[in-house]
Amino acid sequence: EAGVAQSPRYKIIEKRQSVAFWCNPISGHATLYWYQQILGQGPKLLIQFQNNGVVDDSQLPKDRFSAERLKGVDSTLKIQPAKLEDSAVYLCASSPSAGVYNEQFFGPGTRLTVL
Amino acid sequence: GDSVTQMEGPVTLSEEAFLTINCTYTATGYPSLFWYVQYPGEGLQLLLKATKADDKGSNKGFEATYRKETTSFHLEKGSVQVSDSAVYFCALSPQGAQKLVFGQGTRLTINP
Repeated sequence: EAGVAQSPRYKIIEKRQSVAFWCNPISGHATLYWYQQILGQGPKLLIQFQNNGVVDDSQLPKDRFSAERLKGVDSTLKIQPAKLEDSAVYLCASSPSAGVYNEQFFGPGTRLTVL
Repeated sequence: GDSVTQMEGPVTLSEEAFLTINCTYTATGYPSLFWYVQYPGEGLQLLLKATKADDKGSNKGFEATYRKETTSFHLEKGSVQVSDSAVYFCALSPQGAQKLVFGQGTRLTINP
């Protein structure tokens, strides 16, 4: 079974530029998550989708970050404009429909460096 | 709000030593508790989980027990190997929610 796919794996941009990350979850998984992992910290949830609807985006900086999952499958996370503090690894995860155990499967991440 | 606190790292041990990584949490109700591991160059993987008080999660020789009275979920292994070198994250999923709240991670290095 294919895992969660993410691209690109690495991205270097200058501040004030825009950037987009792509995620393709495990086939059949209804729930998709984007996490931000700053160096030396644990991942922090940015947004959670259930199919193509947003469940939780309370920690998404909406003035510069946006995300969509139009067809309930793959997803795009965008930052515009980027700031130095956005340098982090952006992780995508997916899980099957809502259940007690909530196991999430993580992709390899996209490492973003903002100069 | 919900939070997870892990023992400060990094931790360095010799092969076959006993391992404990402390984890405590703050949450309302009965969250589910997890340990995730990140091996060098790889993505996060679920190591073990416990979904109710007094449950013991176990996998690959690692164990952790959900202690409601002390709000803890400490990770233990009786005899570590070089291949256990990784970053370990304690996490919770709030009752009724699906998201994960992570601790800051503990980097473990095992020397031969």
